[in-house]
Amino acid sequence: DAKTTQPNSMESNEEEPVHLPCNHSTISGTDYIHWYRQLPSQGPEYVIHGLTSNVNNRMASLAIAEDRKSSTLILHRATLRDAAVYYCIPDALNRDDKIIFGKGTRLHILP
Amino acid sequence: GAGVSQTPSNKVTEKGKYVELRCDPISGHTALYWYRQSLGQGPEFLIYFQGTGAADDSGLPNDRFFAVRPEGSVSTLKIQRTERGDSAVYLCASSLGTEAFFGQGTRLTVV
Repeated sequence: DAKTTQPNSMESNEEEPVHLPCNHSTISGTDYIHWYRQLPSQGPEYVIHGLTSNVNNRMASLAIAEDRKSSTLILHRATLRDAAVYYCIPDALNRDDKIIFGKGTRLHILP
Repeated sequence: GAGVSQTPSNKVTEKGKYVELRCDPISGHTALYWYRQSLGQGPEFLIYFQGTGAADDSGLPNDRFFAVRPEGSVSTLKIQRTERGDSAVYLCASSLGTEAFFGQGTRLTVV
């Protein structure tokens, strides 16, 4: 399994963009990069995934480095509701057919 | 809504007792996953079903833990002779492909 490195925690002001980094230097060429988040007292929820090209959806954008050894989840305008733990997970539900969670980044949003 | 449903939401049991935790996945989802999560940690994989069969049970910590999915939909996680260390939130997820949908979890407390 590809190992990931994420900051333990980050802070951002409400209504400002947030860039959540993830290093996954051992990722294989066919592994997608998935992001999930877990709001307080909730189960994790899917955010976004991508392979090589940058991806956008209604929740966030995913910027993937050209060498694919890192990626950044971008929340364009953080709200208090975005306070959560964000998990970067290479190859979720693919080769091993399961999601292996790391410790993630705890994002604090300041009002 | 038609999300993943877990019952009970909370369960308090005495050390040594037997407990069953139930998961109702999203209708039609063939894959079902069980995780457990301790405070401050990411979800820890326990077992994964594809249809009725356990495709990967490598995360079950010992033989006190067992899970079934007899008709390929509802699943039950069974814990025998509970120990205080089993206290955690038990999460269930279901999937059809690239995205997993999680329930709210069952908080198990062993006293």
